[in-house]
Amino acid sequence: DSGVTQTPKHLITATGQRVTLRCSPRSGDLSVYWYQQSLDQGLQFLIQYYNGEERAKGNILERFSAQQFPDLHSELNLSSLELGDSALYFCASSVWGRGEDIQYFGAGTRLSVL
Amino acid sequence: TQLLEQSPQFLSIQEGENLTVYCNSSSVFSSLQWYRQEPGEGPVLLVTVVTGGEVKKLKRLTFQFGDARKDSSLHITAAQTGDTGLYLCAGTNFGNEKLTFGTGTRLTIIP
Repeated sequence: DSGVTQTPKHLITATGQRVTLRCSPRSGDLSVYWYQQSLDQGLQFLIQYYNGEERAKGNILERFSAQQFPDLHSELNLSSLELGDSALYFCASSVWGRGEDIQYFGAGTRLSVL
Repeated sequence: TQLLEQSPQFLSIQEGENLTVYCNSSSVFSSLQWYRQEPGEGPVLLVTVVTGGEVKKLKRLTFQFGDARKDSSLHITAAQTGDTGLYLCAGTNFGNEKLTFGTGTRLTIIP
């Protein structure tokens, strides 16, 4: 158990809908990262937050947004969903959010868009 | 865009055999990490290498960072069924917090 909690584990929805994925980081970790893992694209970095502020942005679509709350949990919002958004979404956390920090990954949320 | 290509993409070998997985890039990385991911789980960090030419051993696993810091390899000796999983390399760069993941190697050890 990494200490990173993601909910829900599975999510099935329809095209055009909006969903929210939730992540609770390890106790004491200030930084949260979101990744998307699909069969054809591998594991892609989406966005990083540190202590409530956005720190780095990757290949995140404009239809996607995220935030980190004062209690350090984070949410990833996916809207106007398309079939191609079906993937595993992982959250990871680290203490300081530096490149050399160890990132601890949650078990992921499997999103299926039908 | 920095890319990390892993080879082979799939590898299936008998228990007890040795194997090597490669992670290559045309870009220089300040550090390279290796992860293993099992079905239904997130990636778990195995090792971080930071110095060009560095070799790290973790029981039967040997990790090497290339002298030019553009490539890395993972060698497993006497593979066991518990080694089955998706192996991912990931690179970071100076002053950049994001991890760039490799394309992955799916390893299956046959009993």
